Amino acid sequence: KAGVTQTPRYLIKTRGQQVTLSCSPISGHRSVSWYQQTPGQGLQFLFEYFSETQRNKGNFPGRFSGRQFSNSRSEMNVSTLELGDSALYLCASSPDGVGTEAFFGQGTRLTVV
Amino acid sequence: AQKITQTQPGMFVQEKEAVTLDCTYDTSDPSYGLFWYKQPSSGEMIFLIYQGSYDQQNATEGRYSLNFQKARKSANLVISASQLGDSAMYFCAMRFVTGNQFYFGTGTSLTVIP
Repeated sequence: KAGVTQTPRYLIKTRGQQVTLSCSPISGHRSVSWYQQTPGQGLQFLFEYFSETQRNKGNFPGRFSGRQFSNSRSEMNVSTLELGDSALYLCASSPDGVGTEAFFGQGTRLTVV
Repeated sequence: AQKITQTQPGMFVQEKEAVTLDCTYDTSDPSYGLFWYKQPSSGEMIFLIYQGSYDQQNATEGRYSLNFQKARKSANLVISASQLGDSAMYFCAMRFVTGNQFYFGTGTSLTVIP
């Protein structure tokens, strides 16, 4: 069974640009959630998608958005990048968003210069 | 408010020894799950162990066990027979039946010494 796949693994972008990150969950998992990890703030919840609907959202500005496709793959988009958006972005895959199973991908490391 | 506290920023352990990583949590919700994840320098969060709030027995997964003390709101991770490959960051996390986001602690950096 394939694990959670995040692409790309590394990105370097310039301030003001936008970026799209992708997450393919484990087959059969319908919930995908996204987290931002920085040395200063730790792991912070961005949002969660279940069956193509956003179910929950963290406290991030509107520049951060996401979506989920019918095959459960999810993308998150960050527009008008700022230096502070440099972080490791992790996605988590689970069957229904609660319970015992939750597996993370390897993350996308975004650097904004 | 939901909160996870890991008070040990860094820990050292001799190879083949056991080590306990501390985690306390705060919630008024009776239904929750507690997780431990390992994050090596590569960045991936690797699932280690899960404990449900209604589980009567402490969870175990190979060399990992979770010392769950509900009344004290603690969920310490015990790693037995430490190996060099155990050197990593370890995160305690909590999730609820009524919601679906993880609340993470600040992590503990574990270094295994040969």
